[in-house]
Amino acid sequence: AQSVTQLGSHVSVSEGALVLLRCNYSSSVPPYLFWYVQYPNQGLQLLLKYTTGATLVKGINGFEAEFKKSETSFHLTKPSAHMSDAAEYFCAVSDNGNKLVFGAGTILRVKS
Amino acid sequence: KAGVTQTPRYLIKTRGQQVTLSCSPISGHRSVSWYQQTPGQGLQFLFEYFSETQRNKGNFPGRFSGRQFSNSRSEMNVSTLELGDSALYLCASSIDLNTEAFFGQGTRLTVV
Repeated sequence: AQSVTQLGSHVSVSEGALVLLRCNYSSSVPPYLFWYVQYPNQGLQLLLKYTTGATLVKGINGFEAEFKKSETSFHLTKPSAHMSDAAEYFCAVSDNGNKLVFGAGTILRVKS
Repeated sequence: KAGVTQTPRYLIKTRGQQVTLSCSPISGHRSVSWYQQTPGQGLQFLFEYFSETQRNKGNFPGRFSGRQFSNSRSEMNVSTLELGDSALYLCASSIDLNTEAFFGQGTRLTVV
């Protein structure tokens, strides 16, 4: 069975600082990996995805993530946090069609 | 291009009643998935439909059901509502299998 672990339910960074949100996954087959962002009372917006090929994936709004098979990780980073990045972030894995298994989420707080 | 549309956005129902939620996918998308989001359980997969056929089903009781129409629009139904069914229900559509999912804004169901 697939699973996703997001380390840290809350992460706080200063504006302009590096954002690092951690995600580890478990999958018996090569996974598809995703990061989604959710703003209050909204649906999920796809930030980036890894399917095959290049292990460093660039997404929207300056975010990127690196797939590390040996570490079963897919951490999300952004070099410089902006106030508008404050939201909840979800890592997800899929290996069976379009069924997504989500992590518990990480709430990112950006301090001015 | 219109996004995924879910109706209604908000709903209040009484215990024991039944409810139907609607999802219109992005034009051309053939796969529709449903998720339940609660503070305690997070994001959980309900079911997925592809070309009117249920492809995957999550671990929810039989009170939760769904269907997909020939125009790819989907509905989910919850019968005999319980207080614990209060949640944000999210619908996602994909062009095909193993492609990225686009989420709607969700339907917030409150059971009183």
